[in-house]
Amino acid sequence: KQEVTQIPAALSVPEGENLVLNCSFTDSAIYNLQWFRQDPGKGLTSLLLIQSSQREQTSGRLNASLDKSSGRSTLYIAASQPGDSATYLCAPDWRGSTLGRLYFGRGTQLTVWP
Amino acid sequence: NAGVTQTPKFQVLKTGQSMTLQCAQDMNHEYMSWYRQDPGMGLRLIHYSVGAGITDQGEVPNGYNVSRSTTEDFPLRLLSAAPSQTSVYFCASRADVSYEQYFGPGTRLTVT
Repeated sequence: KQEVTQIPAALSVPEGENLVLNCSFTDSAIYNLQWFRQDPGKGLTSLLLIQSSQREQTSGRLNASLDKSSGRSTLYIAASQPGDSATYLCAPDWRGSTLGRLYFGRGTQLTVWP
Repeated sequence: NAGVTQTPKFQVLKTGQSMTLQCAQDMNHEYMSWYRQDPGMGLRLIHYSVGAGITDQGEVPNGYNVSRSTTEDFPLRLLSAAPSQTSVYFCASRADVSYEQYFGPGTRLTVT
């Protein structure tokens, strides 16, 4: 079974800082990996999808890297803003499942204060 | 596109009652799935479907049934509600394993 760990569990920073959120997974046989954002009381919003053949993917101030061999992904958030406050979840898509289902970490709860 | 829609948004049930959580998507996605989210447990897969007429169990299927008669709809049925089923339920869909998974807004269910 795929186990996903996200560190740190919570992060509180002042506005403007560059942030690093970490995700590790136990089985490197993945199709891809997605990063999601979840606001309180809301559903999950997909931020980035990295295919297993890619090393990184960028969208605006967000950059996600993937090192499949070591079972790690990192989400960088540049120049953080209060609107970035949310829980960030990573989810590798494991080849070991016939569905290609996503396995979720428990998330990093981010608070950016003005 | 409306994306993935779920109804109702909130529901309170008494123990032993049954109900159906509705999920629909208008993106012609083959893959659909139901997750539940509980504090400290993360998201756990209940049931999934890889196309109309095809469903299978996830990691926490007990007490839930699904069917997939059309590509668009994937309802989740609670057979006899129990307090342990108090949770937030999310429906999700994707076109293929190479593509992003999209989530609905969730249904918050309380069983008393």
